[in-house]
Amino acid sequence: DAGVIQSPRHEVTEMGQEVTLRCKPISGHDYLFWYRQTMMRGLELLIYFNNNVPIDDSGMPEDRFSAKMPNASFSTLKIQPSEPRDSAVYFCASSLAGSVHFGDGTRLSIL
Amino acid sequence: ELKVEQNPLFLSMQEGKNYTIYCNYSTTSDRLYWYRQDPGKSLESLFVLLSNGAVKQEGRLMASLDTKARLSTLHITAAVHDLSATYFCADGGSQGNLIFGKGTKLSVKP
Repeated sequence: DAGVIQSPRHEVTEMGQEVTLRCKPISGHDYLFWYRQTMMRGLELLIYFNNNVPIDDSGMPEDRFSAKMPNASFSTLKIQPSEPRDSAVYFCASSLAGSVHFGDGTRLSIL
Repeated sequence: ELKVEQNPLFLSMQEGKNYTIYCNYSTTSDRLYWYRQDPGKSLESLFVLLSNGAVKQEGRLMASLDTKARLSTLHITAAVHDLSATYFCADGGSQGNLIFGKGTKLSVKP
């Protein structure tokens, strides 16, 4: 079975540019999560969806961050404008009945 | 503030030795997760502990949960080099929205 698929795997862009990260959850999973991992702050939950509806976005750091889930098989996390402090690994995860599976992550570097 | 605290954060072990990683959590969740992460890789699910007294074992790793003490442990038996990785515990509800500890970086040396 295909796992959680994220793209791109790596992204390097300049400060001020818009960044869009993409995620395809495991088919049949009803929850989708976006996490961010940095050395300083560890793994943080940014936002999660249930059946495509955002449930809790209290972890989203600022208004520059937005996430959407237009259908059950696709989600995006957008940063506009990007800043160097947004550099991190962003993980998407999906779950069914509490079994949580992570994608390979997107390593984002903002110069 | 909801917190998950792991200790130790760094652990250097010799092959063949035993050791325990501790995870204290502050929520009333009765579900505790353990993950492994290799450098530059994703998180691999090791265990999901669902109830007080739960114990699960896989190979040289055994995890347990004490919900009254809000404590989970990950015990490593007769460590081997392949176990070198960072281990995370995470507290979460049935939905899977997880609060992670800072991780324990384990290095197993010959």
